[in-house]
Amino acid sequence: AQSVTQLDSQVPVFEEAPVELRCNYSSSVSVYLFWYVQYPNQGLQLLLKYLSGSTLVESINGFEAEFNKSQTSFHLRKPSVHISDTAEYFCAVTPGDDKIIFGKGTRLHILP
Amino acid sequence: DAGITQSPRYKITETGRQVTLMCHQTWSHSYMFWYRQDLGHGLRLIYYSAAADITDKGEVPDGYVVSRSKTENFPLTLESATRSQTSVYFCASSEIGTGDQPQHFGDGTRLSIL
Repeated sequence: AQSVTQLDSQVPVFEEAPVELRCNYSSSVSVYLFWYVQYPNQGLQLLLKYLSGSTLVESINGFEAEFNKSQTSFHLRKPSVHISDTAEYFCAVTPGDDKIIFGKGTRLHILP
Repeated sequence: DAGITQSPRYKITETGRQVTLMCHQTWSHSYMFWYRQDLGHGLRLIYYSAAADITDKGEVPDGYVVSRSKTENFPLTLESATRSQTSVYFCASSEIGTGDQPQHFGDGTRLSIL
């Protein structure tokens, strides 16, 4: 069965430090990959997506994610986090023609 | 403004009552979805709809009813609320239900059942 695993439920990191949020998926078919962000008391918003082409995709606020087909991973990174990055981050996969599957989320805590 | 609106944002009700959560989108997206978000479970799909008058069950449909008489509206009804249905409910829409199209989410309804 298709699945998405976010390996860390919570990640604490100091402000201005780098961060990596891990995401692995299992699928026997080609996939589309997404990262969503959920700020407190809000719905999910699309952060970035990988559809095809370059395996490194970037968002407008400094996050990037790299699609690694051999490791079936799509980890999210940022070189220097800010307090405003405090949120929950969801990895999601659309396998082939099937519906989207969400991971269980990773809460990013920024420490001053 | 274009977007997806959920109402109410907060609701408290009692066990056994009927409650309806509203969802309205202005994009004319074909697909609409209802999720519940619970700690430790992430997002779980309750029901979805591919078009007006077409609905289908998701992962956790028991105890919920949906309808879609108009493309822009997708209400979710709890016919006899139970404490286990206390959750945050999100509505989402997308142009198509699969593939490379992302989903657009409302801000959620926080529902407490006493």
